[in-house]
Amino acid sequence: GQNIDQPTEMTATEGAIVQINCTYQTSGFNGLFWYQQHAGEAPTFLSYNVLDGLEEKGRFSSFLSRSKGYSYLLLKELQMKDSASYLCAVVRGYQKVTFGTGTKLQVIP
Amino acid sequence: EAGVTQSPTHLIKTRGQQVTLRCSSQSGHNTVSWYQQALGLGLQFLLWYDEGEERNRGNFPPRFSGRQFPNYSSELNVNALELEDSALYLCASSLVLADNYNEQFFGPGTRLTVL
Repeated sequence: GQNIDQPTEMTATEGAIVQINCTYQTSGFNGLFWYQQHAGEAPTFLSYNVLDGLEEKGRFSSFLSRSKGYSYLLLKELQMKDSASYLCAVVRGYQKVTFGTGTKLQVIP
Repeated sequence: EAGVTQSPTHLIKTRGQQVTLRCSSQSGHNTVSWYQQALGLGLQFLLWYDEGEERNRGNFPPRFSGRQFPNYSSELNVNALELEDSALYLCASSLVLADNYNEQFFGPGTRLTVL
């Protein structure tokens, strides 16, 4: 089976940096996704990590350590529009994707 | 190019009824996944179709079923609806070749309410 843990909620200030952690326990690990989901909307893709290390994409970066079963999403220069839920999703085996329950991020002025 | 579309947007059914939800995948994609997102819960994986075949299934009873058509669109059928089936149902398509995993693109979802 698999278990994915993320903090339920986080609050950060506009312009700041926030790190959202995700830990997982799974067999047959085949990659980890991060998605952003605004309230009432469908999730949108942010990043995909399959190898250890940091993937940077503009203001967003994602890190993976397979040996530790750990990933984080780093958001820099926070903007009000970044207020959303951030979903960590683990790919197990061939195409079996398990989502965490998501971290609701609130950005305050 | 058109993205992933789903129909209907909203649906209200009563307990015991059957429902069919539809999904058109993004052009060029060959796989479709279905997810259930109940209020306050995360996305729960339902089904995954690749080239018309069901390849993976989540922990849902057999009354949840579906299919993928030759044009890669898909249907999700839910029989004998129960109150707890009320949720947002999302489909997502992707292009998968061999073991190369690509990101999934989600549709806007169908909001199902069971009374």
